[in-house]
Amino acid sequence: GENVEQHPSTLSVQEGDSAVIKCTYSDSASNYFPWYKQELGKRPQLIIDIRSNVGEKKDQRIAVTLNKTAKHFSLHITETQPEDSAVYFCAASRGGSYIPTFGRGTSLIVHP
Amino acid sequence: GAVVSQHPSRVICKSGTSVKIECRSLDFQATTMFWYRQFPKKSLMLMATSNEGSKATYEQGVEKDKFLINHASLTLSTLTVTSAHPEDSSFYICSARISGGADTQYFGPGTRLTVL
Repeated sequence: GENVEQHPSTLSVQEGDSAVIKCTYSDSASNYFPWYKQELGKRPQLIIDIRSNVGEKKDQRIAVTLNKTAKHFSLHITETQPEDSAVYFCAASRGGSYIPTFGRGTSLIVHP
Repeated sequence: GAVVSQHPSRVICKSGTSVKIECRSLDFQATTMFWYRQFPKKSLMLMATSNEGSKATYEQGVEKDKFLINHASLTLSTLTVTSAHPEDSSFYICSARISGGADTQYFGPGTRLTVL
């Protein structure tokens, strides 16, 4: 089955800095890679996703990159703000009826 | 759109009792729903995949007789924790995918279960 590793487990940055969270996956057939943000006490919410037919996707301050050859993908947050503080999860799946496999999460702390 | 609700949000029960948690897709049909348990150190542990009209598929190590899952309609899945023990205390989250739609999962707000 799929195995997703996520690093780091905790990331502390100063407001305005960039933050990068990395994930690796094992199943070369995986083709869908979402990222979820979970604020304290709230539900995980999709913030961005990427499919294997593209290498990068951006949405304002958030971007995701995918390297299929190396089987890793990363979340980039620029100009971080305190409200970016949350736990971020990556996931990988083959799509369709396949069950996504989640990483263990990264706790991002943005200091004002 | 794509809202998932859970009820109750919090429940406290005595050891040995059973607790039912409901997961509803409010504005879409969901053939497949997922049940997760989230531990204090933040990881999401998939417990089972709930399929409408058929038996749930449980992950290895999850007792199907203890965590009963029913997915009787395209908008409702229930998780019943039977004979609850203090070690079952946790945060339970469901998610759903739109039937015939994209791969995106939509999560419920979670249920905090405390077993005394």
